[in-house]
Amino acid sequence: EDQVTQSPEALRLQEGESSSLNCSYTVSGLRGLFWYRQDPGKGPEFLFTLYSAGEEKEKERLKATLTKKESFLHITAPKPEDSATYLCAVQAGDSWGKLQFGAGTQVVVTP
Amino acid sequence: DGGITQSPKYLFRKEGQNVTLSCEQNLNHDAMYWYRQDPGQGLRLIYYSQIVNDFQKGDIAEGYSVSREKKESFPLTVTSAQKNPTAFYLCASSTPGDTQYFGPGTRLTVL
Repeated sequence: EDQVTQSPEALRLQEGESSSLNCSYTVSGLRGLFWYRQDPGKGPEFLFTLYSAGEEKEKERLKATLTKKESFLHITAPKPEDSATYLCAVQAGDSWGKLQFGAGTQVVVTP
Repeated sequence: DGGITQSPKYLFRKEGQNVTLSCEQNLNHDAMYWYRQDPGQGLRLIYYSQIVNDFQKGDIAEGYSVSREKKESFPLTVTSAQKNPTAFYLCASSTPGDTQYFGPGTRLTVL
């Protein structure tokens, strides 16, 4: 069975203090790994899709990387507006598009 | 602007009552999805549809029903058979197998 585990569950950072979030997964043939950002009471906002080990993608202060067993979301010099829950999801190669989500990492960035 | 709309934003249900959540998209996506989100848990798939007039059960379909009569619309009915319906409900759409984009969500509370 496909599984996605995110760690830590919660992360509190000072503004400018860089850190990384982890998403470890077991899936039968990864088709894609997705990162979303979710603000309280709102729908997830798409950030990145990674397809193969070694791939990296960047957007402003965020950088996502992928290995065969896990993905990292690096937050460089975070600002308070980066506070959110970050969700990871995987899509198996034999699926029609079904996503398996992790429980998320709640990030709080204080000034 | 292209996007996904969900209504209402907040919904209250009495015991034994069926309620219907609306989801509309103008992204010209063939596939649409319904997820349920509970505190501390990842998103769980309720139903999905890859094409008009066709839909499939997800991981937690019991107590829910859907229809897909139009490409743009995928309403979800929470029936009285769903014993614990209080949750945040999210609708998403995509090109089949591609990145899923989410609506703003509906928060359902049982009175």
